[in-house]
Amino acid sequence: QQQVKQSPQSLIVQKGGISIINCAYENTAFDYFPWYQQFPGKGPALLIAIRPDVSEKKEGRFTISFNKSAKQFSLHIMDSQPGDSATYFCAAMGDNYGQNFVFGPGTRLSVLP
Amino acid sequence: SAVISQKPSRDICQRGTSLTIQCQVDSQVTMMFWYRQQPGQSLTLIATANQGSEATYESGFVIDKFPISRPNLTFSTLTVSNLSPEDSSIYLCSVRSRDGRLLSGYTFGSGTRLTVV
Repeated sequence: QQQVKQSPQSLIVQKGGISIINCAYENTAFDYFPWYQQFPGKGPALLIAIRPDVSEKKEGRFTISFNKSAKQFSLHIMDSQPGDSATYFCAAMGDNYGQNFVFGPGTRLSVLP
Repeated sequence: SAVISQKPSRDICQRGTSLTIQCQVDSQVTMMFWYRQQPGQSLTLIATANQGSEATYESGFVIDKFPISRPNLTFSTLTVSNLSPEDSSIYLCSVRSRDGRLLSGYTFGSGTRLTVV
């Protein structure tokens, strides 16, 4: 199965709150799990990524939590800011150059001031 | 990671015409990828463009509608032909980066927003 499921579809958070977006995959061959941030009118930009040899990766206010046995990973945005308002896509891929990305359907995050 | 320049950034085209989108990368890459993002949707891979060979198209996408050129290792074009309003989307080119010896994520161009009237 190549599908990546993502939830919620949309999320509204108050400034300073924690935003949590969840993704689940089925293909155990996947070994690279990035999150992309996309602002209106722009292409997606790589935000943070994790490989399955670690359970958590943190970069500033952004943290990925990875559960290999459950085949799930999540993005946590701490101290959410209005500037974080964007659409977030999780994705999964294997470490084979010929393999393509599988994107989640996206989560539209709105952070209220 | 690679820097991708994509143009035009947006265009409004008449039904039945074609639009060619250019993608320039600041480094040599084996594969370049073309994606479509319909309004409010996720990204869908159109095709993979290899230098010196024909592009590989995903299910639902055909060469007659989306011809691709890849004349060298830093440049590619995607043409969207015989435009209809259903082609109104954002089109993105991308390349895959490396993190040392491992492959890492895709870098995307800023996209071309196409509106067909």
